[in-house]
Amino acid sequence: EAGVAQSPRYKIIEKRQSVAFWCNPISGHATLYWYQQILGQGPKLLIQFQNNGVVDDSQLPKDRFSAERLKGVDSTLKIQPAKLEDSAVYLCASSTGTGLGSQYFGPGTRLTVT
Amino acid sequence: KQEVTQIPAALSVPEGENLVLNCSFTDSAIYNLQWFRQDPGKGLTSLLLIQSSQREQTSGRLNASLDKSSGRSTLYIAASQPGDSATYLCAVGLTDSWGKLQFGAGTQVVVTP
Repeated sequence: EAGVAQSPRYKIIEKRQSVAFWCNPISGHATLYWYQQILGQGPKLLIQFQNNGVVDDSQLPKDRFSAERLKGVDSTLKIQPAKLEDSAVYLCASSTGTGLGSQYFGPGTRLTVT
Repeated sequence: KQEVTQIPAALSVPEGENLVLNCSFTDSAIYNLQWFRQDPGKGLTSLLLIQSSQREQTSGRLNASLDKSSGRSTLYIAASQPGDSATYLCAVGLTDSWGKLQFGAGTQVVVTP
């Protein structure tokens, strides 16, 4: 069974530029999560989708971050414009059903904003 | 607001010694608790999932206990090996959400040969 796929793996941009990350969850997983992990901290949930609907985006900085999951499968997370403090690893995860079981994580995208 | 703490932040042990990793949380109203492993430059791998009604879970050399009343979980790794070197994170599933996890900052473990 293929795992959660993410791309790109690494990205370096200057502040005020825009960037997009892509995630393809495990086949059949209805729930998809985007997390931000700053160095030395645990992951923080940015947004959670159930199929193609948003369940929780309470910690998403909506003035600069956006995410979509149009067909209930893969998802894109965008930052525009980026700030220095957005430097982090962005992790995508997926789970079955209502999301109350184990979450399976992708390898992440390491973003550096200079 | 649920807060999850992992102490110590880093731990070094000689090969063969048992590892004991601690996780504490402030609100006992949790749905479940998960332990993850994170290797440098990689994502998280789920190790054990304990439902709120359970007291412990075991998988091979790993055993995790859960005491909701005291807000604590402990991950035991028996007979540690250099391959166990990684960062271990615990995360609690919140009851008022659809599987939302609140993570601790992790314990970085080094097992020396």
